[in-house]
Amino acid sequence: GAGVSQTPSNKVTEKGKYVELRCDPISGHTALYWYRQSLGQGPEFLIYFQGTGAADDSGLPNDRFFAVRPEGSVSTLKIQRTERGDSAVYLCASSLGGGAKNIQYFGAGTRLSVL
Amino acid sequence: SQQGEEDPQALSIQEGENATMNCSYKTSINNLQWYRQNSGRGLVHLILIRSNEREKHSGRLRVTLDTSKKSSSLLITASRAADTASYFCAILQGGSEKLVFGKGMKLTVNP
Repeated sequence: GAGVSQTPSNKVTEKGKYVELRCDPISGHTALYWYRQSLGQGPEFLIYFQGTGAADDSGLPNDRFFAVRPEGSVSTLKIQRTERGDSAVYLCASSLGGGAKNIQYFGAGTRLSVL
Repeated sequence: SQQGEEDPQALSIQEGENATMNCSYKTSINNLQWYRQNSGRGLVHLILIRSNEREKHSGRLRVTLDTSKKSSSLLITASRAADTASYFCAILQGGSEKLVFGKGMKLTVNP
């Protein structure tokens, strides 16, 4: 596909469970970003990858959150021991190379509900 | 933490009218961007204005930036029902890769 693809589109889980959210960036985009958007708020930055490495993970709220991008393309956001407060829409974005000139293109997001 | 703050938080207008949204922020920036979001899901990039630019146009969109006041405005002219969405400003600080978004503004265009 031409855009950023996120799966699943919706995820319902129980408190304490482990979840994985997947992001397929636009082909050829080396930079990948994860954001989290709570109801009625703007997206908040979680982590940024340039290639395979996490260049900035300052937005991850705690050590229950982890993200990988082993081959520099697909990324997985992993949340351990989920809490009700983790419920939000998780958005992934990619850009051609990072840097101020590059526009971030967003996927449709994964809506995570923790019961 | 969110820096940009859109004003007003909600706006309802008739089709054909112009809509103006304002954004204020607190730090120095590399650029400021506006995004649109439908139904609380994917964000669509609308326009980017660099810190050394004062005004930019794209179709029915006009963006201004006043770095001395740390504010920006987005004008949508001749609005359409399809413009109904939430609009966010986002800033990119120098040396950073992360966009910092405001809380957003809900625009309703009535046919």
